[in-house]
Amino acid sequence: GQQLNQSPQSMFIQEGEDVSMNCTSSSIFNTWLWYKQDPGEGPVLLIALYKAGELTSNGRLTAQFGITRKDSFLNISASIPSDVGIYFCAGPTTQGGSEKLVFGKGTKLTVNP
Amino acid sequence: NAGVMQNPRHLVRRRGQEARLRCSPMKGHSHVYWYRQLPEEGLKFMVYLQKENIIDESGMPKERFSAEFPKEGPSILRIQQVVRGDSAAYFCASSSQLAGVYEQYFGPGTRLTVT
Repeated sequence: GQQLNQSPQSMFIQEGEDVSMNCTSSSIFNTWLWYKQDPGEGPVLLIALYKAGELTSNGRLTAQFGITRKDSFLNISASIPSDVGIYFCAGPTTQGGSEKLVFGKGTKLTVNP
Repeated sequence: NAGVMQNPRHLVRRRGQEARLRCSPMKGHSHVYWYRQLPEEGLKFMVYLQKENIIDESGMPKERFSAEFPKEGPSILRIQQVVRGDSAAYFCASSSQLAGVYEQYFGPGTRLTVT
């Protein structure tokens, strides 16, 4: 089935640094979604991308929908301690009969103050 | 506006017992999705329901698992005769008919531990 591969698996950075993570697939996706999950909580949608080549920002977060439609990138600028969490990419698939989301395994971010 | 609510937040069951997980979608949302998350893993789709209908249960194990979303009340994910491998975090998400999968709001999850 469709799979999303995220890298890196984990990152340890200093407060103030910029962060970049990506998500790739062997299949084409028409939408890319980026979620953040805080410890002990459910994922929260950060950014949605609907068009190949699209670059979208949400505060210090910027995400891009790759031209090939097989990848997406998320950048966080000037990281702060509350950026700690797991970042998931997700995309819709219709395998199984209805539209549902498939998730990557996540990039775990640790920010040292 | 209340978000998606799940209860209990933590559930401990012995092997062989039943687990019932409840999910109340956001007000006005008629679509509910259940996902399972194992440690160090992403979320895996289990089942998609609308009021009184199971739309897609392709991600649900064939045995012991069932889900419902009655006309009144929360959606229920039921696991019968739990085994240790059922230990995981179970999340539900809701969306409006218009937004579908593109704008799902997740609950805080139920962490099931099977001893």
